[in-house]
Amino acid sequence: LAKTTQPISMDSYEGQEVNITCSHNNIATNDYITWYQQFPSQGPRFIIQGYKTKVTNEVASLFIPADRKSSTLSLPRVSLSDTAVYYCLVPTPGGNEKLTFGTGTRLTIIP
Amino acid sequence: DADVTQTPRNRITKTGKRIMLECSQTKGHDRMYWYRQDPGLGLRLIYYSFDVKDINKGEISDGYSVSRQAQAKFSLSLESAIPNQTALYFCATSDARGAKNIQYFGAGTRLSVL
Repeated sequence: LAKTTQPISMDSYEGQEVNITCSHNNIATNDYITWYQQFPSQGPRFIIQGYKTKVTNEVASLFIPADRKSSTLSLPRVSLSDTAVYYCLVPTPGGNEKLTFGTGTRLTIIP
Repeated sequence: DADVTQTPRNRITKTGKRIMLECSQTKGHDRMYWYRQDPGLGLRLIYYSFDVKDINKGEISDGYSVSRQAQAKFSLSLESAIPNQTALYFCATSDARGAKNIQYFGAGTRLSVL
């Protein structure tokens, strides 16, 4: 099974860069890696998606090494509003239609 | 995401009652999903639908049923609600033609079964 492992929780101070690493040892050749953010009592929100090397958008960067067995979400200069749960997802077997959400990483930003 | 609307936002019901949670979307997506989330846990897939005539069970479909009335509407029913179905329920959509299954979620329905 394409399973992901990420830290349960992380703390960081405002203004710091935060890196959350996810391992996905059994990722399939065609699978993309997707990260979502979830605030309390809200639905998850798409942050970024990538296949290899580096992807950057207005919110975050995603670094994927050549073997694609892990990925790192990088949030630059975090603020209190970045306190949330972050999920790393790769598709479950059978294609890209289904996603399995683990428990994610609970990121707490400290003033 | 305002493009994915769930109703009601909150619901309290009693054990044994039949209830329906509704989801509608204006994104024009063909795929729709229902998830539940329990406190401190991730989301678990209940049912998903790739088009109006396609319904598939997820990992925890027992005790639930769904109806895809139109491309834009996907409802979830609890035939006989029980207390351990108390949870936060999310509807999501995705576009098979677009990027790799990026899902867009509604604001959720908080259900309490007494």
